[in-house]
Formats: sequence, C-alpha cells, structure tokens
Amino acid sequence: QQQVKQSPQSLIVQKGGISIINCAYENTAFDYFPWYQQFPGKGPALLIAIRPDVSEKKEGRFTISFNKSAKQFSLHIMDSQPGDSATYFCAASISNNAGNMLTFGGGTRLMVKP
Amino acid sequence: DGGITQSPKYLFRKEGQNVTLSCEQNLNHDAMYWYRQDPGQGLRLIYYSQIVNDFQKGDIAEGYSVSREKKESFPLTVTSAQKNPTAFYLCASSPDGTLGRNEQFFGPGTRLTVL
Repeated sequence: QQQVKQSPQSLIVQKGGISIINCAYENTAFDYFPWYQQFPGKGPALLIAIRPDVSEKKEGRFTISFNKSAKQFSLHIMDSQPGDSATYFCAASISNNAGNMLTFGGGTRLMVKP
Repeated sequence: DGGITQSPKYLFRKEGQNVTLSCEQNLNHDAMYWYRQDPGQGLRLIYYSQIVNDFQKGDIAEGYSVSREKKESFPLTVTSAQKNPTAFYLCASSPDGTLGRNEQFFGPGTRLTVL
C-alpha cells in the first residue's frame, strides 16, 4: 500500500517537445508529492512539489498535474531541452508521518535529443 | 554555504571490511536519512533519524549501522555482513515533521565499490 508506480522507465523526446512522466499511488493518506531530478553521479534535487488541495502547479517549464480521484500525478516538461536529460523520480509522503519518509517511484530516464 | 556534504565521493572496500560513510549538514535540519541506489533503480531507505541519539531501520537495514550523536552528523557504516554493498549511497535531511515541512534535501552521494 506504500508503493508508488512510475512510468515510463525511459523516455526520448525531441528538443522543444513535451515530456510527460506519470505516477500512481495506492495510499490515500499521502498528501505531499514531490518530483526530483537527478543527473548522473549526483544526488537528486527537488524540482517541484504539490499537495492534493490543488490540481496543478507550475514552475517555469515544469508542471505537476494531480488527479486525486484517480490517485495519479504527472510531471510535464514543456519545451524540453537537452539540459533536461536526467532521471526523474516521483515520490509521496504523509505530512504528519513521523520521520517525513518519502516513498519513491522507480525513476524515469529522460533523454532530450537536439 | 549551506547544504549537505558526503565524503568520500568514491570509496573502495575489500570484502570483509567495514567502511564508514560520512554525512554532515549545516541546515539545522532535525531529520536525516540514508538511501541506497543501484544502477537504474530507485532509492531504497536504509536508516533514518528524527532526533539526536535516536534512529530507526528503513526497508533494507540489514548489514548497515548508523549513529546520531550530533544533530549535524549521521554516519553510515557498511559492515561485512552486507552481502552486496556496491552501490551509490545518498544522504538526505529534512526540517522538522510539522505540516508543510516534508522536503528532503540530498547530498552529492558516495559511490562504494567492493573489490
């Protein structure tokens, strides 16, 4: 019930295109959904996060869409650039959960072709 | 310059040896975490600590040990009991557990290779 499923495992997008990564969760107690970006050999960096009281959050070219009834959320990268090539992880946690523990998806390896 | 530091960046270990990975943070965060990442895989939680002198096992704690004697430090020891320790190890920290403070911030990682 703690699992977060992420798809696709890998994604190739042309420069200027839209990259879409999807995640689904089971535990309805989750109320914080961050996305992390990780470059090879580096630690993940927090990209954008959303709480279920809103259906969408946008920061620059990155948008999270959230569907509470479907228990799904997705990351959209508009005007994708080669510099966006990285691995992206979705995650979920419960705000009042002792320890702020995150449950991570399996990751999506994004390649943006010039 | 605030953040999380991990050392060393690369570590080589012979079979049967214990090694200790360092993690330090100057963000004044209460909680700290250790994750393991295998090639092409997600992050798996090894141990976490919410306060000094207290820590809890994560999903894959066997073969690992930690200590939390200071708020800013959370070292991880990979013992000889860990059968497959070659991996990328990530340390993270988080503010207190009150509502709205879920963010975890990661260090640059330590790549451990067993020879």
